Amino acid sequence: NAGVMQNPRHLVRRRGQEARLRCSPMKGHSHVYWYRQLPEEGLKFMVYLQKENIIDESGMPKERFSAEFPKEGPSILRIQQVVRGDSAAYFCASSPYGTSAYEQYFGPGTRLTVT
Amino acid sequence: GNSVTQMEGPVTLSEEAFLTINCTYTATGYPSLFWYVQYPGEGLQLLLKATKADDKGSNKGFEATYRKETTSFHLEKGSVQVSDSAVYFCALSNQGGKLIFGQGTELSVKP
Repeated sequence: NAGVMQNPRHLVRRRGQEARLRCSPMKGHSHVYWYRQLPEEGLKFMVYLQKENIIDESGMPKERFSAEFPKEGPSILRIQQVVRGDSAAYFCASSPYGTSAYEQYFGPGTRLTVT
Repeated sequence: GNSVTQMEGPVTLSEEAFLTINCTYTATGYPSLFWYVQYPGEGLQLLLKATKADDKGSNKGFEATYRKETTSFHLEKGSVQVSDSAVYFCALSNQGGKLIFGQGTELSVKP
């Protein structure tokens, strides 16, 4: 059973470009979470999605960031008009259930560098 | 609101030393508590968890006990190895499963 897949592993974008980060959850997992790890900081929750639904986006910046988890295909985190402050590691995690008792399985992350 | 506080690092120990990484939390209700470990350049791996008061999570020689009276979930290991060098994150999950992380504690074990 393959783990959580994220691609690309490394992404370089110039200021003003768009960044698309992809996450394929573990087989059988329908709950996806995105987290961001800024340099010298811990991990911060961004958004929680189920298939075709955003359940909790309380950690998402109000502008330029969006996320989706379509019925078919991977979950996508999209950052429009990137700025240097968006440089970070973005981690996706999946879980079979969206409750507090179940652990989340993390992907290897996408390291975004904005030049 | 919910929050997690960990002892600051880096923590440097000699091989076979005893390890404690303190973690305290603030939460409403009855959260689940986790320790995750992150090796350089990798994602997070679950180390252990506890879902109710007085539960003890354990894995690979690491242990942590869910103490509701002191709102703590300290990580311990009796004898660390060089391969334990990593960043350790304490986390809680309360509603909807989203994880609230502490700031992470870097552990460096010297031979």
